Amino acid sequence: DAKTTQPPSMDCAEGRAANLPCNHSTISGNEYVYWYRQIHSQGPQYIIHGLKNNETNEMASLIITEDRKSSTLILPHATLRDTAVYYCIVRVQLSFGAGTTVTVRA
Amino acid sequence: EAGVAQSPRYKIIEKRQSVAFWCNPISGHATLYWYQQILGQGPKLLIQFQNNGVVDDSQLPKDRFSAERLKGVDSTLKIQPAKLEDSAVYLCASSLDRTYPHTEAFFGQGTRLTVV
Repeated sequence: DAKTTQPPSMDCAEGRAANLPCNHSTISGNEYVYWYRQIHSQGPQYIIHGLKNNETNEMASLIITEDRKSSTLILPHATLRDTAVYYCIVRVQLSFGAGTTVTVRA
Repeated sequence: EAGVAQSPRYKIIEKRQSVAFWCNPISGHATLYWYQQILGQGPKLLIQFQNNGVVDDSQLPKDRFSAERLKGVDSTLKIQPAKLEDSAVYLCASSLDRTYPHTEAFFGQGTRLTVV
């Protein structure tokens, strides 16, 4: 299985963009990159996914490097409700690592 | 649409007792997952079903854990007998079909198990 590496934590100011990096250097050609987040005491929530091209939806943008070895999740205008653990995973069987704990501060 | 339903939300048992968790996936979802999430860690996949067949149970401690998905809809996860280290949140998730690589999984709220 391709593994992912994320920073353990990061802070972000409310209203600013939050850029969350993820390394997945062993990803194979047909594996998608998925991002989920988990707010305290809830189950993980799907955010976005992509294969090669950059993707955007109402929640976030996903930037995938050309070699597909890393990606960045962008929350364009972080709010206090975006405080959560963010997981970057490679679609094989949805194995989650430790994720990045994002704290949005007023 | 209704989400993934799990019950109970909380359960406290003594070690060596048995416990069962129930999951009702989103209607029409062929794939069902059970995860264990220990405090401070990411969810760890225990077992994956495609309809009523097991796709992957490589990380399921089969000496004490069992799961079934009769009729390819609801699923139950059982622990017998429970150990202190089984204290965790047990999450159920479902997705449309694992053969579609771009299909996201939807998670339930989880069952918080405390073994004392």
